Amino acid sequence: DQQVKQNSPSLSVQEGRISILNCDYTNSMFDYFLWYKKYPAEGPTFLISISSIKDKNEDGRFTVFLNKSAKHLSLHIVPSQPGDSAVYFCAAENQGGKLIFGQGTELSVKP
Amino acid sequence: ETGVTQSPTHLIKTRGQQVTLRCSSQSGHNTVSWYQQALGQGPQFIFQYYREEENGRGNFPPRFSGLQFPNYSSELNVNALELDDSALYLCASSMRGQGSYEQFFGPGTRLTVL
Repeated sequence: DQQVKQNSPSLSVQEGRISILNCDYTNSMFDYFLWYKKYPAEGPTFLISISSIKDKNEDGRFTVFLNKSAKHLSLHIVPSQPGDSAVYFCAAENQGGKLIFGQGTELSVKP
Repeated sequence: ETGVTQSPTHLIKTRGQQVTLRCSSQSGHNTVSWYQQALGQGPQFIFQYYREEENGRGNFPPRFSGLQFPNYSSELNVNALELDDSALYLCASSMRGQGSYEQFFGPGTRLTVL
């Protein structure tokens, strides 16, 4: 029962272009969504979040969009930089603080 | 501000043994959650501790147990290790009750069961 899905295992983007990472979920009761970035041999690092009552949140180069009717969220990175190359996880929070993660998307930004 | 730390970084055990993993939460945080990340997968929630009590559990058997101490540090214990327990174990701390949902992760403990 995969409640949070990231259907693209990998994404390759040219430096300076936009990276779009996608995430789908099935449980309409989730009230918070988060994106984490993970480098090898490190724990996930919090990137950006969005409440279920909003449809957009922006922080510098990172913007998260939430489409509740489609149960879909996306992370936009503009412009993409080689240092952004990492695995990105989408996570949803249910009441009680449990995070449910997607499988991750490995982003590669090429110079 | 001290971040989340975990020990040890790597561990090798044999099937049937027991293991204890440790986590120190970020300064000021009162909640610790543990996750298991198998290769190629996202982290899976094991359980959460708040004020020294278990506060939610994922789909893991009772041989996975934990503790939280008065200083909010935590232990994860796994008994009767199985080969499938080989994974990266992540600890995350957060401040419950302040409307913040962000959990901050440690670097993880890589457990290999032979």
